Amino acid sequence: DAGVIQSPRHEVTEMGQEVTLRCKPISGHDYLFWYRQTMMRGLELLIYFNNNVPIDDSGMPEDRFSAKMPNASFSTLKIQPSEPRDSAVYFCASSPWAGGTEAFFGQGTRLTVV
Amino acid sequence: SQQGEEDPQALSIQEGENATMNCSYKTSINNLQWYRQNSGRGLVHLILIRSNEREKHSGRLRVTLDTSKKSSSLLITASRAADTASYFCATDARRDDKIIFGKGTRLHILP
Repeated sequence: DAGVIQSPRHEVTEMGQEVTLRCKPISGHDYLFWYRQTMMRGLELLIYFNNNVPIDDSGMPEDRFSAKMPNASFSTLKIQPSEPRDSAVYFCASSPWAGGTEAFFGQGTRLTVV
Repeated sequence: SQQGEEDPQALSIQEGENATMNCSYKTSINNLQWYRQNSGRGLVHLILIRSNEREKHSGRLRVTLDTSKKSSSLLITASRAADTASYFCATDARRDDKIIFGKGTRLHILP
């Protein structure tokens, strides 16, 4: 397996534009996590899915953020409209099951909103 | 919200020395994990310790867990330049399946 694949690796967009980040988890993994990393706040859990169903989105900062998982092999994180304070590295991670297994991370998407 | 807090925030040591990082957390956990992140890369899993374990080894890594103090430590022995990275502890709480990370310790190994 190629691991967790995220695209794009880098995204520069203007304030107010819609941004869509994409993630392909490892095949067979039931859990998918979206994290945001900044210097100030560290690694924040935004939302996670179990078997394509959103379980906890309490970390999503605002209604401008939304995430979907239409099938087991694809998830998106959308920001609409984007703001400069959304600039961060966004990571997707997947794990086989809950209760004591490692999470496998993608390489991240570095988002810059100007 | 942050569950784990690493200490120190940054650490510089000479190559060959041992590096110790600590993590404290707030709620009861199932497991505690340590991850490494090289600059500009994703996180890589290092080791997992379950709540009923007190110590675990993997190569040059030694992890301890004290559930009464809600704390863990990661020891890297005989450090190498390649160990330069940020190290994070992560916990999954008993009440849910979330994996929550601390802010990390930046480790720099001096040649």
